[in-house]
Amino acid sequence: NAGVTQTPKFQVLKTGQSMTLQCAQDMNHEYMSWYRQDPGMGLRLIHYSVGAGITDQGEVPNGYNVSRSTTEDFPLRLLSAAPSQTSVYFCASRYGGGNTIYFGEGSWLTVV
Amino acid sequence: AQSVTQPDIHITVSEGASLELRCNYSYGATPYLFWYVQSPGQGLQLLLKYFSGDTLVQGIKGFEAEFKRSQSSFNLRKPSVHWSDAAEYFCAVGFISSGSARQLTFGSGTQLTVLP
Repeated sequence: NAGVTQTPKFQVLKTGQSMTLQCAQDMNHEYMSWYRQDPGMGLRLIHYSVGAGITDQGEVPNGYNVSRSTTEDFPLRLLSAAPSQTSVYFCASRYGGGNTIYFGEGSWLTVV
Repeated sequence: AQSVTQPDIHITVSEGASLELRCNYSYGATPYLFWYVQSPGQGLQLLLKYFSGDTLVQGIKGFEAEFKRSQSSFNLRKPSVHWSDAAEYFCAVGFISSGSARQLTFGSGTQLTVLP
């Protein structure tokens, strides 16, 4: 049981490049979400999903796309990376009837 | 809208001393409350959580937290700090958004330094 797995752990991008952060969970959790962590700001919600085929925006969705074609996977896409997207990204998941959210190990992204 | 405030950005304590990290929240209903810890370069580890019932909750690594509804607080405590407790601590409140997705609102974090 691997829990929530994020890849890559570290990535450097050039401004304007695109990339996808992968997130997978093997706990059959219905709810998945992406947060970004910036110094002094805690974690902020980017996008979330309540089940396969359903996604919605969080607090800071601009510049990011998501999709949820399967229960297990919830990739986060940066279409045209900007330096303001330099951050640590955390994927999280939760069982539908539960209240505890489980986090991945984080992905450190630098946009130069 | 819900919010979480951690008023102390940085706290320094000596090893063996007691610790209290403050957390205040603003939320219209009874919240789900969490404390997470993050070591440098690591992910978030859940220390403890409060959903209902006994307002004093015990967590891992000897931590405890007390929910005080009248003060809208959920302070984290440890009677004797170890050097390995040096990390950043995040308080979070869970809420139900549209679609019944329980997401978390985080405080800005408190960095704990432990002196030998």
